Amino acid sequence: DAMVIQNPRYQVTQFGKPVTLSCSQTLNHNVMYWYQQKSSQAPKLLFHYYDKDFNNEADTPDNFQSRRPNTSFCFLDIRSPGLGDAAMYLCATSRAGGLTGELFFGEGSRLTVL
Amino acid sequence: AQKVTQAQTEISVVEKEDVTLDCVYETRDTTYYLFWYKQPPSGELVFLIRRNSFDEQNEISGRYSWNFQKSTSSFNFTITASQVVDSAVYFCALSERSSNTGKLIFGQGTTLQVKP
Repeated sequence: DAMVIQNPRYQVTQFGKPVTLSCSQTLNHNVMYWYQQKSSQAPKLLFHYYDKDFNNEADTPDNFQSRRPNTSFCFLDIRSPGLGDAAMYLCATSRAGGLTGELFFGEGSRLTVL
Repeated sequence: AQKVTQAQTEISVVEKEDVTLDCVYETRDTTYYLFWYKQPPSGELVFLIRRNSFDEQNEISGRYSWNFQKSTSSFNFTITASQVVDSAVYFCALSERSSNTGKLIFGQGTTLQVKP
């Protein structure tokens, strides 16, 4: 059974039209991450939540926001998607902050911007 | 600065051949963790192995083996008797204890194609 579930798997949006991607987990992990992976590139961390504490990467554009209403769910909001935001967005969770444990990844949400 | 380098962008082998994927890392931390992940066409990143910086013992798991050498800052991954199902993108990654965020720094990935 999938432990990290991302919805939708595929999202098409128009330039500038806000989009929300969701991630849910059944692992009860306290850390949730959002990564952006562009075609043929390595995943790049956008931000993460350690419990309710939000940690933004320094180079994450303001266009990207996140919400974590409870332990199980985390959302990625892209306020005004540009063509350069087309990518696979990966959600991941970990129990020990990734330092000693492993990250569990969802299958990703592929975003297309028209 | 921390960095992970996977010099091989793409590798193509014929089924049953052995193949080694290279990974070289840079870090100033004395405590760190190294990982390998597999990304099949479905997109999910699948955890393969974690190694901490104090454990240089090589590991074998079925057809997979890993060679960790701190002297050369390398953490190479070998698939023995490759199969078509091994075709995927493989990422090597580094996590530093000092970052305190669990942030994974990924290499650029190596695309492995195993032909029947």
